[in-house]
Amino acid sequence: QQQVKQSPQSLIVQKGGISIINCAYENTAFDYFPWYQQFPGKGPALLIAIRPDVSEKKEGRFTISFNKSAKQFSLHIMDSQPGDSATYFCAASKGYGQNFVFGPGTRLSVLP
Amino acid sequence: GAGVSQTPSNKVTEKGKYVELRCDPISGHTALYWYRQSLGQGPEFLIYFQGTGAADDSGLPNDRFFAVRPEGSVSTLKIQRTERGDSAVYLCASSSPGLAGSTDTQYFGPGTRLTVL
Repeated sequence: QQQVKQSPQSLIVQKGGISIINCAYENTAFDYFPWYQQFPGKGPALLIAIRPDVSEKKEGRFTISFNKSAKQFSLHIMDSQPGDSATYFCAASKGYGQNFVFGPGTRLSVLP
Repeated sequence: GAGVSQTPSNKVTEKGKYVELRCDPISGHTALYWYRQSLGQGPEFLIYFQGTGAADDSGLPNDRFFAVRPEGSVSTLKIQRTERGDSAVYLCASSSPGLAGSTDTQYFGPGTRLTVL
């Protein structure tokens, strides 16, 4: 019940295209869902996060879509750029003071 | 302001040796987390501190792993009798209540890459 599933494992997108990464969870006690971006040799950096009381959140080129009934959420990267090439992790937690449960990651490559 | 810092950035040790990994959280952050990230995988939770006390150590894999945070700021992760399977990147994160809309956000350091030969 603590697991967070993530797909695809890897993704190749042309510059200017849309990158879509999907995650699913089982534990209905989760109420905070962040996405992290990680470059090689660096720590994860928060990209965008959502709570289950909203179905969508947009920040610049990044959008999270959240489906509470299906227990799924996704990250959309619009107008993907080569600089977006990194590994993306979805995560879930039960709130402040609770550890994050991470998905296995998606390696995104944006071709110039 | 300064982010989470971790030292050393890389640590190579021999099987059976003892190692200490240090984390300096963001100033004023009361919550501190340790995670372990194996190659090609997502971070896995190890231990969580609220202030000086370990509020949740359910992720520590065995009694060779121990962590302290004596003054509620810097934390040290200690690994005894290291094994080759301990090789991974050890990440530290911190967070703090009181920032509107971001109380659950965890800010990660760059990690310490531990290699056990």
